[in-house]
Amino acid sequence: GEDVEQSLFLSVREGDSSVINCTYTDSSSTYLYWYKQEPGAGLQLLTYIFSNMDMKQDQRLTVLLNKKDKHLSLRIADTQTGDSAIYFCADSGYSTLTFGKGTMLLVSP
Amino acid sequence: NAGVTQTPKFQVLKTGQSMTLQCAQDMNHEYMSWYRQDPGMGLRLIHYSVGAGITDQGEVPNGYNVSRSTTEDFPLRLLSAAPSQTSVYFCASQPTGGSDYGYTFGSGTRLTVV
Repeated sequence: GEDVEQSLFLSVREGDSSVINCTYTDSSSTYLYWYKQEPGAGLQLLTYIFSNMDMKQDQRLTVLLNKKDKHLSLRIADTQTGDSAIYFCADSGYSTLTFGKGTMLLVSP
Repeated sequence: NAGVTQTPKFQVLKTGQSMTLQCAQDMNHEYMSWYRQDPGMGLRLIHYSVGAGITDQGEVPNGYNVSRSTTEDFPLRLLSAAPSQTSVYFCASQPTGGSDYGYTFGSGTRLTVV
């Protein structure tokens, strides 16, 4: 079946850039999403990229997609303490999402 | 708009009890799903629906039933609760399959089975 893999933990200093990586197996994916989950909360859609795109920029967020290697990354510029959360990569099948296990981002002052 | 509303937010059940987790959305979304989130496991799909009257199983359907009699509601039933069903449950909806809207998630139901 489909599989989505992420590194589990990333620690950065405030003001640095953060890069969270994700790999997926489903070559028929149409959309790939990044969700953010703060403690005790639901999932918030951060951004997405359509499968025929290489890059998408949205304010401090940059998504890069390497479709050949099935590799997705999320770069957060000027990371703030409020960015501390779990970030999930999700691969869109036709009717559902397959999630990675999440990357916990810890931002220290 | 309220978005996706889940009730209750917290629930404690005894082993063997049954209950229904409610999910309602007011966005006229066709697609709805139930996920469970366990530490270190990410989110795993339990059941999903692509429209009223249509449901299908996800990755971990055992012990759960769903029905979709209206576009708005997608309840999840636990038939006979077990400690392994202790988890946080999320309901989500999307207008159609694979779109730039993504899925909108409810705030979750934290279930403990003792």
